[in-house]
Formats: sequence, C-alpha cells, structure tokens
Amino acid sequence: TQLLEQSPQFLSIQEGENLTVYCNSSSVFSSLQWYRQEPGEGPVLLVTVVTGGEVKKLKRLTFQFGDARKDSSLHITAAQPGDTGLYLCADFSNSGYALNFGKGTSLLVTP
Amino acid sequence: DAGVIQSPRHEVTEMGQEVTLRCKPISGHDYLFWYRQTMMRGLELLIYFNNNVPIDDSGMPEDRFSAKMPNASFSTLKIQPSEPRDSAVYFCASSLEVGGGNEQFFGPGTRLTVL
Repeated sequence: TQLLEQSPQFLSIQEGENLTVYCNSSSVFSSLQWYRQEPGEGPVLLVTVVTGGEVKKLKRLTFQFGDARKDSSLHITAAQPGDTGLYLCADFSNSGYALNFGKGTSLLVTP
Repeated sequence: DAGVIQSPRHEVTEMGQEVTLRCKPISGHDYLFWYRQTMMRGLELLIYFNNNVPIDDSGMPEDRFSAKMPNASFSTLKIQPSEPRDSAVYFCASSLEVGGGNEQFFGPGTRLTVL
C-alpha cells in the first residue's frame, strides 16, 4: 500500500491568515482526494484531483496536484474558525476499491 | 437521505466483553466499508463489502474481529473479546461506486473505549 505523508502534522493559526498543507508520496497517484474531518464527525470529501498540474478551487480553498502526480497541496486563504478540522488526503489502495489515507494535518483557527 | 447512520455513538466497556457496532449505509449504495481511526495509525480500512458480500477483510486485526452484512441496509462489526488496544473511533462508510473519483460517505463514527 502506498504511503501518504502529510505535513505539517499540526497547525495553529489566527483568523485571516493563509496556510498551505501538503500530501506527498514516493509513488504516482492514480487520483487523489482531500477530505475534511470536523471534531466528532466522519470525513467529508472536499475535492478529487486526477490530472497532473490540475488546480481546483472551492471558495477559499485551492487544491493543486503536482505535475508528476506524486504530491498535492491545499491552500486556504484568509482562514476562518470554521476551517478548523483534520485535513486528510487519500488515494485508492492497490485494490482500487478502498481508500488509503494519510495521517492528516490538524488545523486550528482561532478568532 | 439521512446519510450513513452508526450506533452507538459512544461505547465504554470492560476488557473481555463483547462489543457490537452497527451501521446503516445510504440506500442504494452497493459498497460498505469499515474503518478504524487512532492517533498512532490514522484511518485504516478493516473490511469492505460489495452487495452484502465481504470482499477484502485483510485489514481485520485478528480473529477477535468479525463483520457481517445480512442485508443491504445493515452491517455489524463485532469484537469478542475486546481489549484496551481496540479503543479507537470506528467509522462506517458507503459508496455507490468505487475507484477513480467516487466519493465515500462516512458516518459520524462510534468512539469505543475498552477499560
């Protein structure tokens, strides 16, 4: 199973700041998904990226897929307390059915 | 649709006791997954079903763990006997399709504490 490394592990910032979190692998991703998990809840899909170099935007969130499809980043502009949560990247395991998750970046945005 | 439903939300039990976790997937979803989340290991797949049939249970830690899906709207994950190292949050997820960009929908999880 492909190992997904996420960084940083923890991030604490103030409202209004910008931030970037990363997801890397030594192997090529077939596709990559980003999930957000709020405290006490299950992960919720934010986006799927498939093509190398692809950029997708979701309001203040910008997702980028590396040209070689071995890395991805999530940039949040003007973070808000509602952005607090665990950000997980995931790809499909070798079977192609189940998700293989990184350990996530835990983000805390304080007012 | 109410989404994926899991019960109980919290379970506290003593070592050696049997624990049963329950899941109702989204209606019409053919795939059901059980995951376990811990601080040390993150989210790990335990087992998944397709059309009520277990396809891959290689993630089940040991024989103390078993999962069933008697029909399309219900699945259980059982731990017997439970041990303190089983303490974790257990998630059930379902999806219409698999692979590619298909989305898995997660339930709110069951937080299990084994004393």
